[in-house]
Amino acid sequence: TQLLEQSPQFLSIQEGENLTVYCNSSSVFSSLQWYRQEPGEGPVLLVTVVTGGEVKKLKRLTFQFGDARKDSSLHITAAQPGDTGLYLCAGAPGNTPLVFGKGTRLSVIA
Amino acid sequence: NAGVTQTPKFRILKIGQSMTLQCTQDMNHNYMYWYRQDPGMGLKLIYYSVGAGITDKGEVPNGYNVSRSTTEDFPLRLELAAPSQTSVYFCASLRQGGDRQFFGPGTRLTVL
Repeated sequence: TQLLEQSPQFLSIQEGENLTVYCNSSSVFSSLQWYRQEPGEGPVLLVTVVTGGEVKKLKRLTFQFGDARKDSSLHITAAQPGDTGLYLCAGAPGNTPLVFGKGTRLSVIA
Repeated sequence: NAGVTQTPKFRILKIGQSMTLQCTQDMNHNYMYWYRQDPGMGLKLIYYSVGAGITDKGEVPNGYNVSRSTTEDFPLRLELAAPSQTSVYFCASLRQGGDRQFFGPGTRLTVL
């Protein structure tokens, strides 16, 4: 079983602070995705990274895929209360379905 | 498009009862998935389907069954509900060749 380990599990920060969350594995993935899930709703895709070393930006969110395609990070600049939610990473091992991490629960306090 | 819809939104079952969780998508997606999400855990794949008439087991299929008679519908059946099946269930769909899974709003199931 290919596992994705996310850290930290919980994060509570003040509005305006920066933060980074991590998604690590011992396995190689053909692509890796980040989702955000708000209470009472299903996850919503934020980004897909495919190439080792790739960096993608989505407004204040920066996503990076590790060179070896085994890990990824999500950096949020100047966090806002609207960023509060559960951040899930999911890896595509190949032609098999996605494998999800346990998530990082972020709380941004105004 | 309504996207992915799930019914019911909430349900309480007694041990041993059975029920079907409904999932429908109107995007003509080939791939459909059922996940369960337990507190503090990520999503675990129960079953998936790559097209009408084709289903396959995921990571945690025991206690569940699925069918895919049409492209639109992918119901999940619990035959003998157990407390261990208390969870939030999400259905998702994916266009062939796409990378974005579209998730439904979830069904919160409690088995007492």
